[in-house]
Amino acid sequence: QVQLQESGPGLVKPSETLSLTCTVSGDSISANYWSWIRQPPGKGLEWIGFTSYSGTTNYNPSLQSRVTITIDTSKNQVSLKINSVTAADTAIYFCASAKWELTRRFFDSWGLGTRVTVSS
Amino acid sequence: DIQMTQSPSSLSASVGDSVTITCRASQGISGFLNWLQQKPGKAPNLLIYGASTLHNGVPSRFSGSGSGTDFTLTISGLQPADFATYYCQQTYNIPWTFGQGTQVDMK
Repeated sequence: QVQLQESGPGLVKPSETLSLTCTVSGDSISANYWSWIRQPPGKGLEWIGFTSYSGTTNYNPSLQSRVTITIDTSKNQVSLKINSVTAADTAIYFCASAKWELTRRFFDSWGLGTRVTVSS
Repeated sequence: DIQMTQSPSSLSASVGDSVTITCRASQGISGFLNWLQQKPGKAPNLLIYGASTLHNGVPSRFSGSGSGTDFTLTISGLQPADFATYYCQQTYNIPWTFGQGTQVDMK
């Protein structure tokens, strides 16, 4: 079973860049798509985007102008960057592995999540 | 974006009850519908994918049905471990979107 571990700063200043890393173990990073999802305090889930193992990406249009997701297969890591952050970017950030089949697409494993607060 | 609307937003039930949560998509999504369970302070866990396929290790008291725009999640014989928030999610179109969640708590 794949295991995912998010890491990165817990506090980011407004207008700066949020940078998180997801380290993948227990499965080949080439086997799946890799996605980021976030959850503001007390609220629901928001899909941010995904990358394939080859680096093909797709982003939520609501964040597309500020988001970059990259994959480093040599380190088994997936990274998330969101620039020009505001308080609205305060959330728990999860990485997840996404299985992609002809008639089904789903997140089968999730990391524990990492809390990021945007504040000066 | 495809809007996912769950009902009810919350419900109270007792151990042993049968519980049904519905999810409606703003447009047809075929069977690209997943159900997730989230407990406080934890990451979501996949319960059902493809509208009706039980994920590995998920108890058989959970079941899902539906296609197109209307879907249901049923818990037959609620157990103490099932008190949680449930989300539906569509992966038919980008951006993938979630319902607002249904909180199931103890009556």
